[in-house]
Amino acid sequence: DTGVSQNPRHKITKRGQNVTFRCDPISEHNRLYWYRQTLGQGPEFLTYFQNEAQLEKSRLLSDRFSAERPKGSFSTLEIQRTEQGDSAMYLCASPPKSGELFFGEGSRLTVL
Amino acid sequence: GQNIDQPTEMTATEGAIVQINCTYQTSGFNGLFWYQQHAGEAPTFLSYNVLDGLEEKGRFSSFLSRSKGYSYLLLKELQMKDSASYLCAVFPGDYKLSFGAGTTVTVRA
Repeated sequence: DTGVSQNPRHKITKRGQNVTFRCDPISEHNRLYWYRQTLGQGPEFLTYFQNEAQLEKSRLLSDRFSAERPKGSFSTLEIQRTEQGDSAMYLCASPPKSGELFFGEGSRLTVL
Repeated sequence: GQNIDQPTEMTATEGAIVQINCTYQTSGFNGLFWYQQHAGEAPTFLSYNVLDGLEEKGRFSSFLSRSKGYSYLLLKELQMKDSASYLCAVFPGDYKLSFGAGTTVTVRA
């Protein structure tokens, strides 16, 4: 248990629907990351927060994706008008000041 | 951009040794990580190298050569539970890790 929790763990949705994932990081860690991982690939960076500020967004994050971290604690990742290509594992990670990322268990999205 | 290469698959016998190589070309370098990932689960941290040389941690060791842009993860006394994907990741220093595609290791009895 890394102390980073994500929910839901699994989400199956129809194309065109909106989905939201939540991440609760380790409380004393200021930075929070979202990654996406598809089968047979390593995790790909999506975005990261320093406290409540979203400091960087990957070009993978299209206009249909939005991430928030309203009080510098938990974070949400919303995908609007889902497409089949959005099917992936969405990973949240929380690092200490320096060093490795501690990943949550991930939220697996399947878009039918 | 970041370029991180590692073999796609490796197979070894229980009790044997396997070496997973990783080469990288990145815009900066502030450390290299190895993660283990079992199917359907999130990656878990194995090792971290920032200086050249070998870091040993039980059955697992990781080596780094910064001048060659090269690392390897050595798994000794393989056990069936070591069957997993092993991810090489580089920290270029811009606050995010860049990952390779992973090496799937299958341990056979």
